[in-house]
Amino acid sequence: AQSVTQPDIHITVSEGASLELRCNYSYGATPYLFWYVQSPGQGLQLLLKYFSGDTLVQGIKGFEAEFKRSQSSFNLRKPSVHWSDAAEYFCAVMNAGGTSYGKLTFGQGTILTVHP
Amino acid sequence: SQTIHQWPATLVQPVGSPLSLECTVEGTSNPNLYWYRQAAGRGLQLLFYSVGIGQISSEVPQNLSASRPQDRQFILSSKKLLLSDSGFYLCAWSPQHLGTHWMDTIYFGEGSWLTVV
Repeated sequence: AQSVTQPDIHITVSEGASLELRCNYSYGATPYLFWYVQSPGQGLQLLLKYFSGDTLVQGIKGFEAEFKRSQSSFNLRKPSVHWSDAAEYFCAVMNAGGTSYGKLTFGQGTILTVHP
Repeated sequence: SQTIHQWPATLVQPVGSPLSLECTVEGTSNPNLYWYRQAAGRGLQLLFYSVGIGQISSEVPQNLSASRPQDRQFILSSKKLLLSDSGFYLCAWSPQHLGTHWMDTIYFGEGSWLTVV
């Protein structure tokens, strides 16, 4: 069964500092991978996704993520964090085939706090 | 363009009462539909997903059920709510066939806050 692990429950960074949020997945084949962001009391917004091709994907709001098959990782990065980036971030993996095609499994989330 | 509507936005219900959360999608046909629950500190848990009318897959045993009476309508129900049913419920949809197009992803509604008292 597929699974996603986000090792860091809570991360605090200073505004302007770089950011890396970790994500490890378990899936039997090449996965579809996603990063979503959720502001308090809101729904989820897609930041970026990886389906195939270039392993470094660019997303919205200056975020990027790199797919590393050898490490089963899909870490999210941003070179300079803004106070408005404070939110909860979710990594997710989707079944790309079989009877559970389209099933999206989320990690537990990482809460990002940004200090001025 | 496609939109997803979910209601009610907030709900306070007593233990033992029934529940009905409704979700509709506009601007697309034959979508995959999903219900997720986000309990405090527990991330997002897939409850049900549906690939077509009347086709429901349940991911976890629970006090809830789902139905898809129409192609773009997905309903989450309970006959008797428990305290543990409290949480943030998210409906979502995706195209039937996903690929590399930027539109091929899962789209979420704004969510419904359920408090069982």
